Amino acid sequence: AQKVTQAQTEISVVEKEDVTLDCVYETRDTTYYLFWYKQPPSGELVFLIRRNSFDEQNEISGRYSWNFQKSTSSFNFTITASQVVDSAVYFCALRDSNYQLIWGAGTKLIIKP
Amino acid sequence: EPEVTQTPSHQVTQMGQEVILRCVPISNHLYFYWYRQILGQKVEFLVSFYNNEISEKSEIFDDQFSVERPDGSNFTLKIRSTKLEDSAMYFCASSVRPNTEAFFGQGTRLTVV
Repeated sequence: AQKVTQAQTEISVVEKEDVTLDCVYETRDTTYYLFWYKQPPSGELVFLIRRNSFDEQNEISGRYSWNFQKSTSSFNFTITASQVVDSAVYFCALRDSNYQLIWGAGTKLIIKP
Repeated sequence: EPEVTQTPSHQVTQMGQEVILRCVPISNHLYFYWYRQILGQKVEFLVSFYNNEISEKSEIFDDQFSVERPDGSNFTLKIRSTKLEDSAMYFCASSVRPNTEAFFGQGTRLTVV
């Protein structure tokens, strides 16, 4: 069965600290896609990244980076030099052979000034 | 930048009433979805729609729910007889293909009283 686990319910750091959000997934499929979405206090869901199961290269986009490790079924997200505007709930999600996204419970990130 | 638009942003309805939530997906996208998020909880898949028919639906999407693409631009979710537990944020999303990123609308907050 497919499952996404985000064990960290809430993380609170001081601005400029680095922070890593964990995501562990389960799927029987060999072809699957992983996603991260951001949900700011305003409530919308903002797409951040998509990764397919055949591409294990890590990705960096500005202060954001993602570490995909198939061996541990993890797709972790790191924000370096965090800013108050990064405060949001971050969701990891999985799509395999189905059309639907399977979502983790989300990690609430609080960046204090 | 193209975006998914949803109306209304907030709908209050009495239990037992029918509601229709409206969405305009991104114009060149072919796959459409509805998700919901009960306050403070994870995002849940309801239904996916392609080529004018439902391609996948979850257990939540029972006979009280229906979707329709009444014209070339709109995608609607109808709840026939609302229950208190239908209160949630409903998100519409669209994607070019099922394995590409889905872009979400701002959501419609449905409150059933």
